[in-house]
Amino acid sequence: KAGVTQTPRYLIKTRGQQVTLSCSPISGHRSVSWYQQTPGQGLQFLFEYFSETQRNKGNFPGRFSGRQFSNSRSEMNVSTLELGDSALYLCASSLSSPGGGYTFGSGTRLTVV
Amino acid sequence: GDSVTQMEGPVTLSEEAFLTINCTYTATGYPSLFWYVQYPGEGLQLLLKATKADDKGSNKGFEATYRKETTSFHLEKGSVQVSDSAVYFCALSVSFNKFYFGSGTKLNVKP
Repeated sequence: KAGVTQTPRYLIKTRGQQVTLSCSPISGHRSVSWYQQTPGQGLQFLFEYFSETQRNKGNFPGRFSGRQFSNSRSEMNVSTLELGDSALYLCASSLSSPGGGYTFGSGTRLTVV
Repeated sequence: GDSVTQMEGPVTLSEEAFLTINCTYTATGYPSLFWYVQYPGEGLQLLLKATKADDKGSNKGFEATYRKETTSFHLEKGSVQVSDSAVYFCALSVSFNKFYFGSGTKLNVKP
């Protein structure tokens, strides 16, 4: 079966712009989570969506937002981009409970210049 | 709060050497524990997991045992291969798909 698909794979944006990243989970997975990965901070949890509702949120400013659609696809948006937002953004999907673990996508590499 | 601490890398080994990557955790409640592996340019892949104390997760020759008394989940492999070169992440989850990841340990295996 198809894995978790993230688009685009690479993105270059200018400071102050906004960006939208997309994630299509594995068919049947209703939970989608987003992580930011940087060399300095490692993997940091952004938020998790289940059945179109945000169920968990990490400690990121309000510039970071997300949503989930009825088909479980998810988008995350970052407004007013800063240089420090340059990172690999990873999406992960799973069934409803944490016991099974995630399946991650390959990520979107965002560079802010 | 909940957290994971794993040994810093990089770890450099020769092929067929024994591998141990240490991982300890702090958690409220009863977490599930995981090891993930990340190859260059890719996302993370689930390597193995354990959901309760004394469980042993295993996959592709890798093993880790959930030790509640020492709050540890060390990753081991008896004989590493060059293809095992990657970054390994220890992680825990206590609720609703909120995971806490360690900082990652880079493994370099030389032929």
